[in-house]
Amino acid sequence: AQSVTQLDSHVSVSEGTPVLLRCNYSSSYSPSLFWYVQHPNKGLQLLLKYTSAATLVKGINGFEAEFKKSETSFHLTKPSAHMSDAAEYFCVVTYNNNDMRFGAGTRLTVKP
Amino acid sequence: DTEVTQTPKHLVMGMTNKKSLKCEQHMGHRAMYWYKQKAKKPPELMFVYSYEKLSINESVPSRFSPECPNSSLLNLHLHALQPEDSALYLCASSTNNRGEQYFGPGTRLTVT
Repeated sequence: AQSVTQLDSHVSVSEGTPVLLRCNYSSSYSPSLFWYVQHPNKGLQLLLKYTSAATLVKGINGFEAEFKKSETSFHLTKPSAHMSDAAEYFCVVTYNNNDMRFGAGTRLTVKP
Repeated sequence: DTEVTQTPKHLVMGMTNKKSLKCEQHMGHRAMYWYKQKAKKPPELMFVYSYEKLSINESVPSRFSPECPNSSLLNLHLHALQPEDSALYLCASSTNNRGEQYFGPGTRLTVT
């Protein structure tokens, strides 16, 4: 069965330090993979997507993610955290049937 | 226009009320979705419309009734809800069944 696992429920970093949010997926097919961000009481905003083109994907707000098929991973990174990055982040995998599978989410806290 | 709009932003209703949530997009997307999101959880898929036809119903109770009057509009009719139905209801749209979904800001529903 297809699934997506976010390895950390909560990540805390200091402002200006790197961010790493981890995501692993299980699939026997080539998935499309996405990262979304959700600020409190808001909808979800697409950060970036992987759809079988370049394995290193650049997104908005300085975020990027690397698709590693051998590790079935799609980790999200940012070189330098900003206070405004504090939010909930969801890794999402989708296949050919409108079925988006969400990870459980990672709450990112950014300390001053 | 890359926006999905949802009305109302907030809704409080009693268990005997009938109300409707509305979602609209003008991006020419032919797939539209309803999700339910409880606090500190990822969104849960409720319904998918593809080309204005209901294609996925994730075993949602009949007190939730979706409607897609045209390719830009999606409604969710609510009747005889329970307090546990209180949640953030998110609408999304996409161009196809593997593409990224664009989310609206959500309707915060409270059932009293």
